[in-house]
Amino acid sequence: ETGVTQTPRHLVMGMTNKKSLKCEQHLGHNAMYWYKQSAKKPLELMFVYNFKEQTENNSVPSRFSPECPNSSHLFLHLHTLQPEDSALYLCASSNAWLVNNEQFFGPGTRLTVL
Amino acid sequence: GQQLNQSPQSMFIQEGEDVSMNCTSSSIFNTWLWYKQDPGEGPVLLIALYKAGELTSNGRLTAQFGITRKDSFLNISASIPSDVGIYFCAGRQMDTGNQFYFGTGTSLTVIP
Repeated sequence: ETGVTQTPRHLVMGMTNKKSLKCEQHLGHNAMYWYKQSAKKPLELMFVYNFKEQTENNSVPSRFSPECPNSSHLFLHLHTLQPEDSALYLCASSNAWLVNNEQFFGPGTRLTVL
Repeated sequence: GQQLNQSPQSMFIQEGEDVSMNCTSSSIFNTWLWYKQDPGEGPVLLIALYKAGELTSNGRLTAQFGITRKDSFLNISASIPSDVGIYFCAGRQMDTGNQFYFGTGTSLTVIP
């Protein structure tokens, strides 16, 4: 596997379900991110982890719960979601040591909440 | 948060034509990135810019970091059908660490 991978690629869940999204980066990076992408809107940064520590939580509802067990893996735990949470969820990683700190994205998980 | 204005929102062009799109912000940025996103995929980094006035090419793509540090341009020359997709700009301010702000995207359609 190379780059940033995400599973599952598609997920349909009911509002009472609990599910998790998984992201893995194979780039040796030390920072990881969750973004939400909705139609006609800019990418919304949700969470940032630097060296496994959460450094940003952009007013994300508590029904989204991130977990970063190590610098290569990032999870987004979902429970009691709302239909408006349906979107493409993108994971990204970067090397926080570099001034440039360019972010590389995974393919995303297309989430539909019924 | 910071808003980036990206234009145009969409473009329909003939194969072989050149394309130009731009991104502006109300704040000064120290980094501009341009990404392309194909349907069902994540954004792929095309070009990164780090200095005001910098002009960088990647094949048929050329991007510039505006001298005011509040804008950036992406040009695609001699477009081909595989250029179809959504192009995003992203910018970072000096004091916001890892955080990049993203434009709303330019949807490009190339008509063979």
